[in-house]
Formats: sequence, C-alpha cells, structure tokens
Amino acid sequence: QSALTQPASVSGSPGQSITISCTGTSSDVGSYNLVSWYQQHPGKAPKLMIYEVSKRPSGVSNRFSGSKSGNTASLTISGLQAEDEADYYCCSYAGSRGVFGTGTKVTVL
Amino acid sequence: QVQLVESGGGVVQPGRSLRLSCAASGFTFSSYGMHWVRQAPGKGLEWVAVIWYDGSNKYYADSVKGRFTISRDNSKNTLYLQMNSLRAEDTAVYYCAREGNYYDSRPAAAFDIWGQGTMVTVSS
Repeated sequence: QSALTQPASVSGSPGQSITISCTGTSSDVGSYNLVSWYQQHPGKAPKLMIYEVSKRPSGVSNRFSGSKSGNTASLTISGLQAEDEADYYCCSYAGSRGVFGTGTKVTVL
Repeated sequence: QVQLVESGGGVVQPGRSLRLSCAASGFTFSSYGMHWVRQAPGKGLEWVAVIWYDGSNKYYADSVKGRFTISRDNSKNTLYLQMNSLRAEDTAVYYCAREGNYYDSRPAAAFDIWGQGTMVTVSS
C-alpha cells in the first residue's frame, strides 16, 4: 500500500486560507468517505482534526474543514493563525488497514 | 482522563525482539479497536497494525507482516506489539492510538486518542 500524496509544504499569512491536498487511489480515498486529518507539532503526538472527510471532533476549531472529490481529499484552514504552524497528515481507510499521506509542513509567514 | 501510555522501547540489535505495551485508562478499553502507528526520525506517519475490540481480527502493514504481532489483554486494559526480527528500518517512535470511528463494524482508521510514543532504535 503506497502512501497518499501530499504537498511537502504550504504557507500562508495570518488570516489567509490555505488548502492541503491528499491524493490516493480508487482503492483508498476514492472508495471510502473515510479520510481523516491530523495535526502534529514538533515532538508531540498527532491530533485528530477531521474524520469521515469533513467531520470535526468536539473541540476542534471550525476554521478547519475537509472535503473530497474523486481520489483527492483536501483540508482547508481558514483564518490562518500562528498556532496552526505544524505538520499535517491525511489518512484513509483502505479495507481493514490505514494508509497515511506523506505529510505537509504548514508555515505561517 | 482518557489516556494511553506506551512503554517498552529502547535500543536493540538487528534480528532481536522487543515487546511494546500500551496502558489505557479513562475509557472502556474492551469496547475499542486499537492501532499501532510509527514515525521514523524526521519522517512521516506509518500505520503498522490494528486489532479489533475483542481481539478477533488483526491486520498489518506489509512492511511488518510476519514479523510483528499485535495483541491485547482486555482484563489488564493493555495493548501490545511483539516485534521480532527487527531491522534498522524499524527504528521509529511507536504510538498506540484508539480507533475513533467504525465502518461496517470495522475500525475505520480514524485515531482519536494517541499515546505520547515510545522510541525504538535498532542498531548494532
């Protein structure tokens, strides 16, 4: 199972919106509405931000939103803030297994 | 509070074995599927294995299949990862994570609670 493809880095200024893509195949992203997104700050464990493509767990800011089209899922962060600077990973269900994306470093300029 | 605490990491020679543990607290452990996820130094996350809430089903990444075994003891609220025939490429921080969603009664690879991780270094 190959990793899902994400851009290595995305940047934006405070207040702006950015979008991170996550491209898989018809065996994972394209087959299930079961894509999740994780935020990871340096030296910390990942944190669930989005599940089932677009659902937010309790306590996650509504500045984070998710969507999917075909084999590509996306995470949008609106109103970018300094604390959003982190690594972000997508993950897709792939038939009893999980497959992560390659990861995207978000920089707040 | 809901918590996962990993232990058992360390430095081990190639070809040797190591067993990781993950102690759960603050929730009904026996009701949840559980995963192991690893992260090599400076690299991304890699899903390793999943075990269903009752231990009835287990699945592995191709990279560890046949070498690693996931198990659980619901009476002790503990998840395990037995790692045999370790290789240098198994060097990573190993996280246990709770399944937060289900698809057709199967764990859906959405990890809502994570431990702090335990470092495994495979080196001679």
